[in-house]
Amino acid sequence: GQSLEQPSEVTAVEGAIVQINCTYQTSGFYGLSWYQQHDGGAPTFLSYNALDGLEETGRFSSFLSRSDSYGYLLLQELQMKDSASYFCAVRDQGQAGTALIFGKGTTLSVSS
Amino acid sequence: DVKVTQSSRYLVKRTGEKVFLECVQDMDHENMFWYRQDPGLGLRLIYFSYDVKMKEKGDIPEGYSVSREKKERFSLILESASTNQTSMYLCASRGQTSYEQYFGPGTRLTVT
Repeated sequence: GQSLEQPSEVTAVEGAIVQINCTYQTSGFYGLSWYQQHDGGAPTFLSYNALDGLEETGRFSSFLSRSDSYGYLLLQELQMKDSASYFCAVRDQGQAGTALIFGKGTTLSVSS
Repeated sequence: DVKVTQSSRYLVKRTGEKVFLECVQDMDHENMFWYRQDPGLGLRLIYFSYDVKMKEKGDIPEGYSVSREKKERFSLILESASTNQTSMYLCASRGQTSYEQYFGPGTRLTVT
C-alpha cells in the first residue's frame, strides 16, 4: 500500500515564502510530483522529483529526500493567485501499470 | 494543445440509475485514470487503464466499472448509482514515458 501525509491548511501573506511538506510510504518509488488545483478547476502539474535535491521552476521549487521519504514544495514571493490546493503524489507500481496516488491536499490561503 | 475532455460538467441522477461518465483525450496517451474528489479526502483512484481493453483497480473500485474500447476514450460506469457516489469525478491521462498527468475539467455528479 501507499500513503502520503501533508498539512491540511497553510496561511500566508503576499510576498512571503511558504513550504508545504509531504511524507510518503510506498512499496516502490518512482518519483514525487506536485499538482496545483484552484477552486472549481482541474489539477495541473507543477513539478516532479525523481532524484534527491532541489528543482527550481520560477517562484516554485520542489525538494526530495528519498532516504527520509520526504519532500516539500516551496513557494516564494507569494501572490494572491497562489491561493489554491496543492497535492503531492507518488507513482505506485501496480500489477501491470503505474498510477499516480495523491495526498489529501493542502489548502493555501494567501492574504494581502 | 493537450486536451482531456469529459462528457458533462454537471450531472444529476436518481438512485439506482446506471450512469456513464465519458472521457476523451487527444494526446495518444496509453494510460488513463478515473479519480473521485471529495472534501478532505483528496483525489482517490477508482480505476485506471494502461492499454485498450486493459484495466486495473485503484483504491476504491467498489460500485464502479470501466470500459476502454478505444485508446482515446475511457468510460466510468456506475452500475446502480447510490447517494454516496455523489462526488466530483476527474479523468486524467498520461503518456507511457511521461511523469506529467493531464486532467479533464471534472464532472460533478449528484445522486438523489
